[in-house]
Amino acid sequence: GQNIDQPTEMTATEGAIVQINCTYQTSGFNGLFWYQQHAGEAPTFLSYNVLDGLEEKGRFSSFLSRSKGYSYLLLKELQMKDSASYLCAVRDGDYQLIWGAGTKLIIKP
Amino acid sequence: KAGVTQTPRYLIKTRGQQVTLSCSPISGHRSVSWYQQTPGQGLQFLFEYFSETQRNKGNFPGRFSGRQFSNSRSEMNVSTLELGDSALYLCASSLVGAWDTQYFGPGTRLTVL
Repeated sequence: GQNIDQPTEMTATEGAIVQINCTYQTSGFNGLFWYQQHAGEAPTFLSYNVLDGLEEKGRFSSFLSRSKGYSYLLLKELQMKDSASYLCAVRDGDYQLIWGAGTKLIIKP
Repeated sequence: KAGVTQTPRYLIKTRGQQVTLSCSPISGHRSVSWYQQTPGQGLQFLFEYFSETQRNKGNFPGRFSGRQFSNSRSEMNVSTLELGDSALYLCASSLVGAWDTQYFGPGTRLTVL
């Protein structure tokens, strides 16, 4: 079967750096998305990786290793507003989108 | 450009009733996908419509159905509601398909009593 694993919850301190991991086992691979979802709000697109390596976008970076079936989202200089759930989604070989259950990130002052 | 809109935002129904949810995608987007979100379950894909045709369907019972109109607006219907149908229902639109970057609406919070 197809599966995406993310930690359920993580806690970090304001100003620090946090890495949210996502591992996947899918039938084929055609890209990986990260979305951010604040409580009670809709998910919003953060990043997309299809090739190995690091994609940087301001305070957020996303890394992909296709051979390891692994990605991470790196958040730097954490702010209180970064408290949210982070969803990993993989586009499989049939271009179906498989979603992880999300990681709830709690930022403490 | 206006975002994805969903109506109503909140609904309370009782078991056995039916409900219809509406979604208006971003102008120019032809793909509309529907998701169910419950705590700890993540996003569960219901179905995707593209140009008025259902292109993909998730693993949900036949009580869940949908349609898309010529203006790309979409509706989702749930018949014979069960307590377990209580969830946030999210609609997402994209230019070419559910596999592309999606733009989500605020969701409809359905409570079944």
